[in-house]
Amino acid sequence: DIQMTQSPSSLSASVGDRVTITCRASQGFSNSLAWYQQKPGKAPKLLFYGASRLESGVPSRFSGSGSGTDYTLSISSLQPEDFATYYCQSFYSTPTFGQGTKVEIK
Amino acid sequence: EVQLVESGGGLVQPGGSLRLSCAASGFTINYYWMHWVRQVPGKGLVWVSRIKSDGGATDYADSVKGRFTISGDNPKNTLYLQMNSLRVEDTAVYYCARGVGGYSVYDYWGQGTLVTVSS
Repeated sequence: DIQMTQSPSSLSASVGDRVTITCRASQGFSNSLAWYQQKPGKAPKLLFYGASRLESGVPSRFSGSGSGTDYTLSISSLQPEDFATYYCQSFYSTPTFGQGTKVEIK
Repeated sequence: EVQLVESGGGLVQPGGSLRLSCAASGFTINYYWMHWVRQVPGKGLVWVSRIKSDGGATDYADSVKGRFTISGDNPKNTLYLQMNSLRVEDTAVYYCARGVGGYSVYDYWGQGTLVTVSS
């Protein structure tokens, strides 16, 4: 099975900062990657799939990129509502999630 | 409006059984891959199982294979997860989720139901 490794596992940032989260797969695949945002006590929310296909209603400050084994999620200008945990997920074969990146207020 | 509502969680002893339900509305589960994903509180997300109800195709994570059974009741538009031989490590919040376009990407999730396996 593919293993997904996110980095960092947590970060502290201020409102207005640019934030980048990386997800690395143990083997390459063609854009079969999704990103989710999860807030405490809530179900995850889909942000992207296909590495960069923004889900309807997701603000344009979120962007995704990558291919092969390396993918990134970027938030161009962090807003108060963006403080959450973010997960990448491979859907190439068996669905596999990264361990999560917690974005905290600095 | 698409909604998924789970029920059936609770406290069960190791070796026991539990059946989770996920009532869907706003769409027909028969046309989608439906999944169960679990999350130990404070930890990450783990895929558990999936089903395509129209053809009966199912798939399971190795950790639950042979113990859990996923099924769908199309007239009731409800997804189930029968969990037998439960272990302490099965303790988690269980979410049902709808797959997007045939992929294992989840555009709608339920609110989750907590399963606690403890003596």
